[in-house]
Amino acid sequence: KNQVEQSPQSLIILEGKNCTLQCNYTVSPFSNLRWYKQDTGRGPVSLTIMTFSENTKSNGRYTATLDADTKQSSLHITASQLSDSASYICVVSANNFNKFYFGSGTKLNVKP
Amino acid sequence: DSGVTQTPKHLITATGQRVTLRCSPRSGDLSVYWYQQSLDQGLQFLIQYYNGEERAKGNILERFSAQQFPDLHSELNLSSLELGDSALYFCASSPTGQGREKLFFGSGTQLSVL
Repeated sequence: KNQVEQSPQSLIILEGKNCTLQCNYTVSPFSNLRWYKQDTGRGPVSLTIMTFSENTKSNGRYTATLDADTKQSSLHITASQLSDSASYICVVSANNFNKFYFGSGTKLNVKP
Repeated sequence: DSGVTQTPKHLITATGQRVTLRCSPRSGDLSVYWYQQSLDQGLQFLIQYYNGEERAKGNILERFSAQQFPDLHSELNLSSLELGDSALYFCASSPTGQGREKLFFGSGTQLSVL
């Protein structure tokens, strides 16, 4: 069964600290993996997209990694800011369908 | 601004009623997706259209229907509404609807069924 699981469900960190969010998937055949940031009540916004051959991709203070062998990805946020408070969603697409499998998200709260 | 426009932003209605949500995709995008997000839940895929034709179907109830018009805007119709239909409904678009493309999401329509 194609699934995407994210951990932790929620996370509280202090401003300026780093954090890492995890995503494990069983989607096959794998096409690409995306990380989205969703502010409360808003639509998700794409942070990174990685294909099978990409191990790391950065977007400012956000760095995503992908291990296609273990089917794991992580999103590392450096020097967190209050504006990083949001839900972070991992989305995996399968190669044979135009289908996207969404994780339930990690809710990050950055406190001053 | 993603370029995807959804209207209305908020909708309050009663059980048993019918509502229509509207989505205008980014200029040039041919594919439209609809998603439902209940409180503190992940996004659930409902349906995808490409250039006016239905391309993929997800967990869409029979009480729900959608269509994409020749000008590429899309409407999601929800009928015989129940309390459990209260959710954020998102529309997303992409150029050709293929899995490798970036999805651009609208700001959503918050539906409250009382």
